Amino acid sequence: NAGVTQTPKFQVLKTGQSMTLQCAQDMNHNSMYWYRQDPGMGLRLIYYSASEGTTDKGEVPNGYNVSRLNKREFSLRLESAAPSQTSVYFCASRKGAVGYTFGSGTRLTVV
Amino acid sequence: AQSVTQLDSHVSVSEGTPVLLRCNYSSSYSPSLFWYVQHPNKGLQLLLKYTSAATLVKGINGFEAEFKKSETSFHLTKPSAHMSDAAEYFCVVSDQGGGYQKVTFGTGTKLQVIP
Repeated sequence: NAGVTQTPKFQVLKTGQSMTLQCAQDMNHNSMYWYRQDPGMGLRLIYYSASEGTTDKGEVPNGYNVSRLNKREFSLRLESAAPSQTSVYFCASRKGAVGYTFGSGTRLTVV
Repeated sequence: AQSVTQLDSHVSVSEGTPVLLRCNYSSSYSPSLFWYVQHPNKGLQLLLKYTSAATLVKGINGFEAEFKKSETSFHLTKPSAHMSDAAEYFCVVSDQGGGYQKVTFGTGTKLQVIP
């Protein structure tokens, strides 16, 4: 099925460990996004990529880096995980003014 | 400035009764407005969107929303709730403020449907 695929679905990290969250879309969308979802706070934008080769900071970029590897793939990296980064992470893509298509999320726990 | 306020964090209705989820927004530009639904442990799914065409927007699963510029509202309604409607709903505003597409999510409304 066409859509946005995120891996892994679940992850537990120790404080200070690093990891990369993967995201791929097969809808030929130009824009891709990483959000985090925390209770009572809605979704907050971490980073986005308006097109292949460009990335920009969102509302909460500290502690994260991203790579737009090609038009399909947009990865999110935590270099040194902290308990405050425990969250559910969603990747999304969009073309023009049409609404987002979201992945199913990655539940990350940092202990 | 752009913002969105979902007026209720939790709404509880009986199965078969109407649903009303309230959303107010502010935008300095002509906004696009969206409602998304998130079922437990799932990603967000687009329910409906308003992009300056008809002010009454029909979405999937019998939901609809009316854009009221004078009230800066975009409330989501459904005539008769089903058990499968139990989920969290997010109102989203998007505009071209500052020359780029800015998007803000509401904090969500959890809908409980009582049998």
